[in-house]
Amino acid sequence: SQTIHQWPATLVQPVGSPLSLECTVEGTSNPNLYWYRQAAGRGLQLLFYSVGIGQISSEVPQNLSASRPQDRQFILSSKKLLLSDSGFYLCAWRRDRQSSYNSPLHFGNGTRLTVT
Amino acid sequence: KNEVEQSPQNLTAQEGEFITINCSYSVGISALHWLQQHPGGGIVSLFMLSSGKKKHGRLIATINIQEKHSSLHITASHPRDSAVYICAVRSYNTDKLIFGTGTRLQVFP
Repeated sequence: SQTIHQWPATLVQPVGSPLSLECTVEGTSNPNLYWYRQAAGRGLQLLFYSVGIGQISSEVPQNLSASRPQDRQFILSSKKLLLSDSGFYLCAWRRDRQSSYNSPLHFGNGTRLTVT
Repeated sequence: KNEVEQSPQNLTAQEGEFITINCSYSVGISALHWLQQHPGGGIVSLFMLSSGKKKHGRLIATINIQEKHSSLHITASHPRDSAVYICAVRSYNTDKLIFGTGTRLQVFP
């Protein structure tokens, strides 16, 4: 069966510090991978998605970046955090369209980031 | 106006009550998802549907493509059903998911 791991669960970082959130998927190959952010009282916002190694699409301009160094690893980074980066970050995966059109989205447990 | 609207935003119920959460959307879709977000933040996919009705245990999801509307029903609600329920649609044109802002449900014993 497929599982998704996301860590850390909570993180408190000062303004200006770097960020690295990691997400890994097990039990599937060539998944589509996603990073979402959920700000307090707001819906989920897509930040980045990836359809393959090294292929990253950015949805919202910001000081965050994403990388996919391996097929089942997706990393969200920042060189210098801003206060506005605080929020709940969720990693998700789904099967690629070639193998399963319109497959469901599976979420990790999320990382609650507080920038102080 | 958001492309995906949910109602109500907040809902309280007594244990055993029948619950209905509504979702309306304004874009062409290939599928609609109902998600459950637990108090700790983790999200679980409940249903993905593109037509008709699906049932899983005490949960029922329906969709009317012509009216661009979906409902999530919970029969015999229980305090453990307390969570945020999120509707999301997959845009037919962009293949991107568009999320509603969620409905916060609290079920009291």
